[in-house]
Amino acid sequence: GDSVTQMEGPVTLSEEAFLTINCTYTATGYPSLFWYVQYPGEGLQLLLKATKADDKGSNKGFEATYRKETTSFHLEKGSVQVSDSAVYFCALRHAGNNRKLIWGLGTSLAVNP
Amino acid sequence: GAVVSQHPSWVICKSGTSVKIECRSLDFQATTMFWYRQFPKQSLMLMATSNEGSKATYEQGVEKDKFLINHASLTLSTLTVTSAHPEDSSFYICSARSRVGYTEAFFGQGTRLTVV
Repeated sequence: GDSVTQMEGPVTLSEEAFLTINCTYTATGYPSLFWYVQYPGEGLQLLLKATKADDKGSNKGFEATYRKETTSFHLEKGSVQVSDSAVYFCALRHAGNNRKLIWGLGTSLAVNP
Repeated sequence: GAVVSQHPSWVICKSGTSVKIECRSLDFQATTMFWYRQFPKQSLMLMATSNEGSKATYEQGVEKDKFLINHASLTLSTLTVTSAHPEDSSFYICSARSRVGYTEAFFGQGTRLTVV
């Protein structure tokens, strides 16, 4: 079945460091790919998404490119801030009647000043 | 973005009792609501999908008589864990979508249930 694999955390970085959180997936067809973020004490929020191969999703300085050849959707940010400390979830969903989100385990990021 | 409020944020109950968790969409009408469960160091697992005014659709392996879901209005869905046991201790998350076919769902902050 479909699955999403993310790098294990926690990831600890200093402010202004470069961030990469790896995400790979296994799926048939052409799913949509998502990154969600959960800040402390808050609900999950959609961070960015991509719906087809080579699409790049971006938001708040974060980017991820849908790479079908490597089945990856790695999250990157050039310069992290303390306020980016959160848990990041990669997910996929197929179009059509079955629109369940399939989730990765989540990666905790802590950014130190 | 739209706001989904989940209540309570944490609850401790005795084994054998029932617990109700509420999920409200505060500024939109949620035609579809989803209930997830998350164990430590595991992914979010979809438990059930409910559409307003109809019975919930449960995922394989989820006991519908144990996890009662009611979606009686366009702004409220409830999950009742009946006769809770320690193995039901988990983090429960709801999400809501504003109309059929719309891509994005909005999430509540989750409820930590501990059964002692």
